[in-house]
Amino acid sequence: SQTIHQWPATLVQPVGSPLSLECTVEGTSNPNLYWYRQAAGRGLQLLFYSVGIGQISSEVPQNLSASRPQDRQFILSSKKLLLSDSGFYLCAGLGSYNEQFFGPGTRLTVL
Amino acid sequence: DQQVKQNSPSLSVQEGRISILNCDYTNSMFDYFLWYKKYPAEGPTFLISISSIKDKNEDGRFTVFLNKSAKHLSLHIVPSQPGDSAVYFCAASALQGAQKLVFGQGTRLTINP
Repeated sequence: SQTIHQWPATLVQPVGSPLSLECTVEGTSNPNLYWYRQAAGRGLQLLFYSVGIGQISSEVPQNLSASRPQDRQFILSSKKLLLSDSGFYLCAGLGSYNEQFFGPGTRLTVL
Repeated sequence: DQQVKQNSPSLSVQEGRISILNCDYTNSMFDYFLWYKKYPAEGPTFLISISSIKDKNEDGRFTVFLNKSAKHLSLHIVPSQPGDSAVYFCAASALQGAQKLVFGQGTRLTINP
């Protein structure tokens, strides 16, 4: 079955510290991977997507970056976190019927 | 510019009745529409989808209707059950290219016993 693994589940980081969130996918042959963020009380906003190794497209200007070092691995990073980076981060893959399937998410709190 | 809008932040329905969640979009390039269900602190779960070549798709208790001329879609849940209480997001994409999803703000559905 199609599965997205994300870790950690929760993270509390001080302002100015670095960030690395990892996502791995299994059970799909489609290479597309996506990072979304949900701010409190808001919808999901697409941050980055990747159609293959080393291929990253950014949707919004921000303090974050993404990398695709392996086919089934997608990493979200920051060199220095801001308060505004707090939110719920979700990784998604593309399923057999053009639906995106999501991981369990990471709750990031920047203090 | 919000391309996908869910104008009702919340909806309360009695158990056994029909729940109708609405969604509007502005971008004519969208040709694929999806509904997701989300519980707090979890990832969204895919419910049902519809392509722009159809005006209705049904899966068990869930039916999605698409009105392309009005750029409007709706999700019908019948009969509503307590386990349906969650936040529902509609999303839209163009099937060509990277198939990026644009989400609405979500509607919190509460099913009352």
